[in-house]
Amino acid sequence: KQEVTQIPAALSVPEGENLVLNCSFTDSAIYNLQWFRQDPGKGLTSLLLIQSSQREQTSGRLNASLDKSSGRSTLYIAASQPGDSATYLCAAYNTNAGKSTFGDGTTLTVKP
Amino acid sequence: DTGVSQDPRHKITKRGQNVTFRCDPISEHNRLYWYRQTLGQGPEFLTYFQNEAQLEKSRLLSDRFSAERPKGSFSTLEIQRTEQGDSAMYLCASSEGYNSPLHFGNGTRLTVT
Repeated sequence: KQEVTQIPAALSVPEGENLVLNCSFTDSAIYNLQWFRQDPGKGLTSLLLIQSSQREQTSGRLNASLDKSSGRSTLYIAASQPGDSATYLCAAYNTNAGKSTFGDGTTLTVKP
Repeated sequence: DTGVSQDPRHKITKRGQNVTFRCDPISEHNRLYWYRQTLGQGPEFLTYFQNEAQLEKSRLLSDRFSAERPKGSFSTLEIQRTEQGDSAMYLCASSEGYNSPLHFGNGTRLTVT
């Protein structure tokens, strides 16, 4: 059974700082790993999806990496802004299951 | 393409009542997923459809829960005899296929009093 862990559960940084969010998973037999953003009371917004054959994906100030062998993914946010404040979740899509397994997220606060 | 749509956004019901939620996926997306999320937790998988076929149900989905996707388009999730423990955000997501990004709706917030 896939288990996904995100540490830390919460993170507070000053505006402008670069930061890294971590995601680890126990079963490396994944098709892809997807990062999401969730604002309070809202659904999830997809940020980046990394296929199992890829090492990283970039979108604007966001860069996500994947290391299947170690069961780890990171989301790098450059030059953080107060608007980046949200909960960030990762989800691993397994080859032997038709669904994604989510971590509990990291709640990011960027202070002006 | 208006994204994944869920209705209603909020539902307050008394314990023991039945409730039904609807999800309209992105058109042409053949996979549709239901997840449940409680405060401070990540989404937990409930069930998913490939077109109209329900391919997997979580053990979380007791006999009181049923989901349908009759024509392979919209889906409904029904909870019978609601309990206070059913209070949660119910999220629907769709994707083009097994290895495609998930796209979520804004969810239905259920409160059972």
